[in-house]
Amino acid sequence: NAGVTQTPKFRVLKTGQSMTLLCAQDMNHEYMYWYRQDPGMGLRLIHYSVGEGTTAKGEVPDGYNVSRLKKQNFLLGLESAAPSQTSVYFCASRMSSAGELFFGEGSRLTVL
Amino acid sequence: GEDVEQSLFLSVREGDSSVINCTYTDSSSTYLYWYKQEPGAGLQLLTYIFSNMDMKQDQRLTVLLNKKDKHLSLRIADTQTGDSAIYFCAESLGPSGTYKYIFGTGTRLKVLA
Repeated sequence: NAGVTQTPKFRVLKTGQSMTLLCAQDMNHEYMYWYRQDPGMGLRLIHYSVGEGTTAKGEVPDGYNVSRLKKQNFLLGLESAAPSQTSVYFCASRMSSAGELFFGEGSRLTVL
Repeated sequence: GEDVEQSLFLSVREGDSSVINCTYTDSSSTYLYWYKQEPGAGLQLLTYIFSNMDMKQDQRLTVLLNKKDKHLSLRIADTQTGDSAIYFCAESLGPSGTYKYIFGTGTRLKVLA
């Protein structure tokens, strides 16, 4: 069982470059979330989706865009990377509005 | 608004009990959760409590919920070195909270042998 898979796992970018993080889940989950984890700040919600074709802003959406064109995939895009976006990014999914979140292993992004 | 707060660090001796505390602000939470994160890994669910419960026990874990004070705690009995990790509390918001899932800052538990 793959569960939640994030790609890539590591990436180094220069300021101003763009990139996309891919999250794929094979559990037929409706809800998907992108978080960033920074020391002392816990997990902060960037964007989330409550179903295919829908997206919504979380706590820290600026500088990021997302798309949920297919139910199993949730893409997180950085159009013009900044050093403040250096972080570990986690994708998570759940079946219903009150269920357990299943996490990917994380993607470590460094912006120079 | 939504805000979940925890202390950042806790250190205990092996065999002692650990108590990790959390406060939250959104009273519309339907479920409250405790997740564990080991180094280099994602988070995994430890236990959860429905918002109309006061207490839940699951083997070495005891969750206490004080809804009036919006305070949640996780007690780990007989703490072992394998319990060293970061512990996050989280709240799941319903339709009025647009289905957000909000985490606290995390408490790093260090167990001393």
